[in-house]
Amino acid sequence: AQKVTQAQTEISVVEKEDVTLDCVYETRDTTYYLFWYKQPPSGELVFLIRRNSFDEQNEISGRYSWNFQKSTSSFNFTITASQVVDSAVYFCALSEVSQGGSEKLVFGKGTKLTVNP
Amino acid sequence: SAVISQKPSRDICQRGTSLTIQCQVDSQVTMMFWYRQQPGQSLTLIATANQGSEATYESGFVIDKFPISRPNLTFSTLTVSNMSPEDSSIYLCSILGQGYTEAFFGQGTRLTVV
Repeated sequence: AQKVTQAQTEISVVEKEDVTLDCVYETRDTTYYLFWYKQPPSGELVFLIRRNSFDEQNEISGRYSWNFQKSTSSFNFTITASQVVDSAVYFCALSEVSQGGSEKLVFGKGTKLTVNP
Repeated sequence: SAVISQKPSRDICQRGTSLTIQCQVDSQVTMMFWYRQQPGQSLTLIATANQGSEATYESGFVIDKFPISRPNLTFSTLTVSNMSPEDSSIYLCSILGQGYTEAFFGQGTRLTVV
């Protein structure tokens, strides 16, 4: 079975600190996709990034960066110079085939990030 | 990107009753997905709904408890039947974007069963 582990349940930092959210996954598939979503207190899920298993290049988008390492089955997410607005629950997810034969997402338990002023 | 509208956004229901959640998408999609997020927990897929066929349920979820309708390519409903406090969750509908580049989610329905 596919599995996504986010070992950090909660992280608290002070504004302007850098913070890394860890994600480790398990899969037997050779082709798969990894995602990060942000869920602010309002509850909606905000898409951050999708990475396919053949692309191990790190990605940077503004203050956000992602480190994908297939050798360690990890897809970690770093926020540089954190801000209060970054406070949210962050989910890592892995695609797999559902019972209906389509793609579905398997989510980790999430990491609650609190950025204090 | 797609726009997904869910109704109601929240509700408080009595145990033993049923609630139907509606999901409207602004484009035609083959598959729609229903997820549940229990308090403080992650999201779990309930079922996949294809237009014109019965929904396919994941392990641990059954049609009698969570009947789903998919009358056309832009709309689906999820009913939470015979509710108990354990059904208190956020229910989200979702679609996959073109080429599965991302999964789009509705804003969710926060259900509290008392």
